[in-house]
Amino acid sequence: AQSVTQLDSQVPVFEEAPVELRCNYSSSVSVYLFWYVQYPNQGLQLLLKYLSGSTLVKGINGFEAEFNKSQTSFHLRKPSVHISDTAEYFCAVTRSNARQLTFGSGTQLTVLP
Amino acid sequence: EPEVTQTPSHQVTQMGQEVILRCVPISNHLYFYWYRQILGQKVEFLVSFYNNEISEKSEIFDDQFSVERPDGSNFTLKIRSTKLEDSAMYFCASSEAGAVNTEAFFGQGTRLTVV
Repeated sequence: AQSVTQLDSQVPVFEEAPVELRCNYSSSVSVYLFWYVQYPNQGLQLLLKYLSGSTLVKGINGFEAEFNKSQTSFHLRKPSVHISDTAEYFCAVTRSNARQLTFGSGTQLTVLP
Repeated sequence: EPEVTQTPSHQVTQMGQEVILRCVPISNHLYFYWYRQILGQKVEFLVSFYNNEISEKSEIFDDQFSVERPDGSNFTLKIRSTKLEDSAMYFCASSEAGAVNTEAFFGQGTRLTVV
C-alpha cells in the first residue's frame, strides 16, 4: 500500500514571497504523483502531475514540483504567490497499474497582504 | 468549460435513513469515482465505476454503500442506513479513460451530515 504525508497543515505566507509545500510518500512499487488544489466551495482541481521523465514538473498558475526518488518527496513550489493562491493543496499518489488516488491530509496555504 | 456537478451541496439526514448523493459527470467521460473526506481527515477513495460495474473499491465501501448509473447522465452513491460516522464531504469525479495519465475532474462535493 502507498501513503502520503503532507508535513504542514497550515502555511501562511506574505504576498509575492516564495512558498514550498512539502509532500512525502511511501510505496513499495512505482507510483505516479499529483498535486490538487481546492478553492473555497469548489472541487479539487489538478495542478500538476509526475508520471515519468523530467523530475521537474510545471503546472498551472506558476506552480512547479520536483520528484525526488531518493528522498521520496514531491514538494510543490511557487516563486511568488498571489492572494488568489489562498486555497487547500493536496498531494496524491497512485500505483502505476491503478486508478484510485491516495491523498495526503492537505495543506492550507494562506497568502497575506 | 464542462464540469462535474453534484447535488445537493449539503444534505442533513437522520441516523438510519437512506441517502442518495447525485453526480452528473462530464458527458464524454467513461470512468466515475466517489471519494469522501471526513472533517479534518484525508480525502479517501471509495469506489470506481466503468462500463456499468464497479472496477475498484476500498475497504470503506461495504455493503451499506452502492453505486449506480441509472440513466445516461447521472451517477449516484447510495448509503443504505446512515451512521454518524458517515458524516463527510463526498466528492464525485470522472475521467475520459482509466489510465492514470488521464486527469480526473472533481465535483464541488456534497457535505453529508448525519444527526
